[in-house]
Amino acid sequence: ETGVTQTPRHLVMGMTNKKSLKCEQHLGHNAMYWYKQSAKKPLELMFVYSLEERVENNSVPSRFSPECPNSSHLFLHLHTLQPEDSALYLCASSQEVRVANYGYTFGSGTRLTVV
Amino acid sequence: QKEVEQDPGPLSVPEGAIVSLNCTYSNSAFQYFMWYRQYSRKGPELLMYTYSSGNKEDGRFTAQVDKSSKYISLFIRDSQPSDSATYLCAMLRGSQGNLIFGKGTKLSVKP
Repeated sequence: ETGVTQTPRHLVMGMTNKKSLKCEQHLGHNAMYWYKQSAKKPLELMFVYSLEERVENNSVPSRFSPECPNSSHLFLHLHTLQPEDSALYLCASSQEVRVANYGYTFGSGTRLTVV
Repeated sequence: QKEVEQDPGPLSVPEGAIVSLNCTYSNSAFQYFMWYRQYSRKGPELLMYTYSSGNKEDGRFTAQVDKSSKYISLFIRDSQPSDSATYLCAMLRGSQGNLIFGKGTKLSVKP
């Protein structure tokens, strides 16, 4: 496995469900990110982790809860979501936090639909 | 005024055409400019990266930055159907910081 892997690729959940998104990077990067991508909107940064420490939380509702157990894995725990939370959730990594010289490497995303 | 403006398109061109994709921005502190390409059902991948003003060429792709006009462009020469994707511009204020993305422009190259 190389690059950034996200699972599941698709997820349909009810508003009362609890689910988790998983991200794994095999690049030896020190920083990981969660982004939300909605139609006709720019990518929205949600969370930033540097060496398992959360360094930014961009005013994200508490129904989204990130977890970074080590520098290779990142989770996004979801509970009591709203239909407007339906979007593509992208995980990314970079060599160092917020240093974009070599770009961020993105996963293929999880397409989330809240019903 | 949004920090980064990008026309979402869609833009449809015939194969072999020259494509011009553009973004404008409002914050003169942006110094690093990137273009990402995102295929359907995939995450964005870095295509071009430039620092400050000027041009950068890579094969059929040319990235251009005009800081005086706060305007960046991506040109694709001899466009191919495989270039069909969404192209996102992204910018950074300094060497460290959060990337600010445009909405992305959806490009379709017809055979």
